[in-house]
Amino acid sequence: AAGVIQSPRHLIKEKRETATLKCYPIPRHDTVYWYQQGPGQDPQFLISFYEKMQSDKGSIPDRFSAQQFSDYHSELNMSSLELGDSALYFCASRPAGGGYTQYFGPGTRLTVL
Amino acid sequence: DQQVKQNSPSLSVQEGRISILNCDYTNSMFDYFLWYKKYPAEGPTFLISISSIKDKNEDGRFTVFLNKSAKHLSLHIVPSQPGDSAVYFCAATLAQGGSEKLVFGKGTKLTVNP
Repeated sequence: AAGVIQSPRHLIKEKRETATLKCYPIPRHDTVYWYQQGPGQDPQFLISFYEKMQSDKGSIPDRFSAQQFSDYHSELNMSSLELGDSALYFCASRPAGGGYTQYFGPGTRLTVL
Repeated sequence: DQQVKQNSPSLSVQEGRISILNCDYTNSMFDYFLWYKKYPAEGPTFLISISSIKDKNEDGRFTVFLNKSAKHLSLHIVPSQPGDSAVYFCAATLAQGGSEKLVFGKGTKLTVNP
């Protein structure tokens, strides 16, 4: 079965650089969620999109922005990176038309040096 | 403020025995609960869920029990297998009228010994 695809899987950046993380949801999933998981922490909700519109926003820094495109893939843009942004970033998708289960991608490990 | 709590960071059981993972929540508005399993360097994998209108849901070796009055749920794995060794996250959401974002506990690391 098709799963959520995230790219890149690993990313190393310097402080103050920018990063773009991509997420391709499972086909026929119209809602995308982004989560951040710090070392030894639980995943924290960042932002979500439904039908290409932002549907909810969590504890996402102003330096971060995201969008969902017409093909339902989503990109998380991170600017002025800080050491504390080093984390695993997960994307999850949810099927159109019902159900509350979110299906997660493998994550992108971002390291800021 | 941790709205979903998994108070046992780790659990060790013998192969073939029952594993019981516990989860407590503080927000009485949560109406849908999920359990995810996570291996290192992988994303969380959905295991089983339960709506607040039920008190039990079963899927093969996995059963989730919900006690709304106690704001407590548990995941039972019977029989436990070495391949079940992973970190288990409990998550909750407001399915009706909410954003449906998941709120996670901090996870319980399960080790199943052969």
